[in-house]
This record gives sequence, C-alpha cells and structure tokens, in this order.
Amino acid sequence: QVQLQESGPGLVKPSETVSLTCTVSGDSITNNNYIWAWVRQPPGKGLEWIGTISSRGTTYYNPSLKSRVTISVDTSKNQFSLRLSSVTAADTAVHYCVGLFGAGRPRFWGQGTLVTVS
Amino acid sequence: AIQLTQSPSSLSASVGDRVTITCRASQGIATALTWYQQKPGKAPRLLIYDASILESGVPSRFSGTGSGTDFTLTISSLQPEDFATYFCQQFIGSPFTFGGGTKVEIK
Repeated sequence: QVQLQESGPGLVKPSETVSLTCTVSGDSITNNNYIWAWVRQPPGKGLEWIGTISSRGTTYYNPSLKSRVTISVDTSKNQFSLRLSSVTAADTAVHYCVGLFGAGRPRFWGQGTLVTVS
Repeated sequence: AIQLTQSPSSLSASVGDRVTITCRASQGIATALTWYQQKPGKAPRLLIYDASILESGVPSRFSGTGSGTDFTLTISSLQPEDFATYFCQQFIGSPFTFGGGTKVEIK
C-alpha cells in the first residue's frame, strides 16, 4: 500500500518561497502507473489543484499558479517536491501530496501539512 | 476554466436515508469526474472515479452516475460514518477544478 507523508515549514513570511516535500513509501516513485500531485485547501474552504508530475518528470501546473510553482522529483530519495514562490496570505492552506493511480484516479493522499503565511 | 456546481451545498439526513448529491459542469467533461469524501481534519478519500467506477475498498452503498455535464453521487442507505463533506472534481479541462462541496449532516 502506497503511503505519502508531507514535510516542510509550517510558517513562512510573505514574499518568501516555501518548499514542501512528499516522501513516498510502499512503491517506487518511478513506477509508470503513478502520477504525483499537490492539492491545497485554505482553512474552511474548498480544494485547489496545484499541479502534477509524472514518473518521467512531465509537469502540469494550474495556470493560476504556474508562474510561481515548481514540482520536481528526487528518485534517489523516493520523494517529490513543491516550491511556491512569492507567497502571500492567500497561500495559507493545508497542502496535500497525492498519488494518482492513472489519470483521474487520485487514490493515495498524504495527511496534509498546514502552511501559514504571516 | 470548467466550473463545477454542486447541489445542495448542505443537507440533513437520517441514518438509513437515501442521499443524492449532484454536480453540474459548465461544459461537457465526458465521464472525467471523481467524487471524494472528506471528514474534518482529514484528507479527501477517493470514492468514485470515471464518474461511476467504485474505488477499491469503498462500500457498495456509494454509486456514481452521469456523463457530459450532469453527475450524481448516491448513498443508498446513509450510515453514521458517512456524515462528511463530499466534493466532485473534473479531470478533463485545465485546470482540474473541484466543486464547492456538499456537507451531509445528521438530522
């Protein structure tokens, strides 16, 4: 069973860059059956898709965040990461890493990590 | 961006009730729709993908139907553990968007 665990700073200052890491266990991050993604949810609000990366490194970003987002994979550590630059209070949210077992099937979720911009 | 409108935004129901939640897309999305359940403080849980395919391990009382612009999630007999918020999401248009959620509360 694939398990995902987010890690990163809980508090970031406005205008800074936040980096989050998702550690994947239970399978290889290079398994072609998976697509890896980040989703966020502001406190008390709905969900927003940030972007995805395939096992081959192909990325897709939400156009509303594209200029500030980078998603990458570190196969040596079985991890993938999110970098979000120039953060503002509007970026305060619980950030989830997600493993899709094929397109359109977000099967595995991390527990989420709250990033507060203040 | 494709907009997903869920209705109702909340509902009250009793254990054993049949519950139906709808999700309407602003343009056709074939069957590229997913349903999730989310409980407070927890990550979303995948229930249905491709509009009607039940995810492994999800009870059979959950079912999904629809294609194009109109979709439904049905819980055939509501159980105590089903009180939660339900979201739909589309996977065909950029960006992948979510519905606003339907909160199912105890009557």
